[in-house]
Amino acid sequence: AQSVTQLGSHVSVSEGALVLLRCNYSSSVPPYLFWYVQYPNQGLQLLLKYTSAATLVKGINGFEAEFKKSETSFHLTKPSAHMSDAAEYFCAVPNQAGTALIFGKGTTLSVSS
Amino acid sequence: NAGVMQNPRHLVRRRGQEARLRCSPMKGHSHVYWYRQLPEEGLKFMVYLQKENIIDESGMPKERFSAEFPKEGPSILRIQQVVRGDSAAYFCASSPTSGEYQETQYFGPGTRLLVL
Repeated sequence: AQSVTQLGSHVSVSEGALVLLRCNYSSSVPPYLFWYVQYPNQGLQLLLKYTSAATLVKGINGFEAEFKKSETSFHLTKPSAHMSDAAEYFCAVPNQAGTALIFGKGTTLSVSS
Repeated sequence: NAGVMQNPRHLVRRRGQEARLRCSPMKGHSHVYWYRQLPEEGLKFMVYLQKENIIDESGMPKERFSAEFPKEGPSILRIQQVVRGDSAAYFCASSPTSGEYQETQYFGPGTRLLVL
């Protein structure tokens, strides 16, 4: 069965520090993986997605994620946090039929000055 | 190119009333998905529709909830006889195609339903 687990419901960093948001997946089919960001009272915006073309995926706003099959992970990173990165981040995987996305519970990122 | 449109953005209903949530997909998209976000939880899939067809409704509650995507006009998520537990944010997403695992879903801003 498809599932994702996001470790850490809340991550706090200082402005300029490294951002690391963790996502582990379980998939019975070749995995496609997504990271979405949700700003307060808004919808979800795609940050990046893994489609097997390359294990290191670059997304918008300086974020990137690395697919590691041996660790079943797809962690999201950004070298230097900005105040505007404060938001909730969701990792997702398609369901087995490909008809829906299965989301993790989300990680709230706080950035302090 | 306008994004996914949802209206209303906020909806207040009293227990027992009906709630109708509308979603207009992005231009050129014929696949619509509805998700619900309860407080302190992630998004949960409800239903996937193509024009005039429900393809997957495995996430829909068995009673009081229905969805449609007519040939003309927006997709509608209808909740009859709302209860307080229906209070949540409801998000619509669309894609140009589906059945492809790597297909990106584009999300609307959501409708926040509050049941008094």
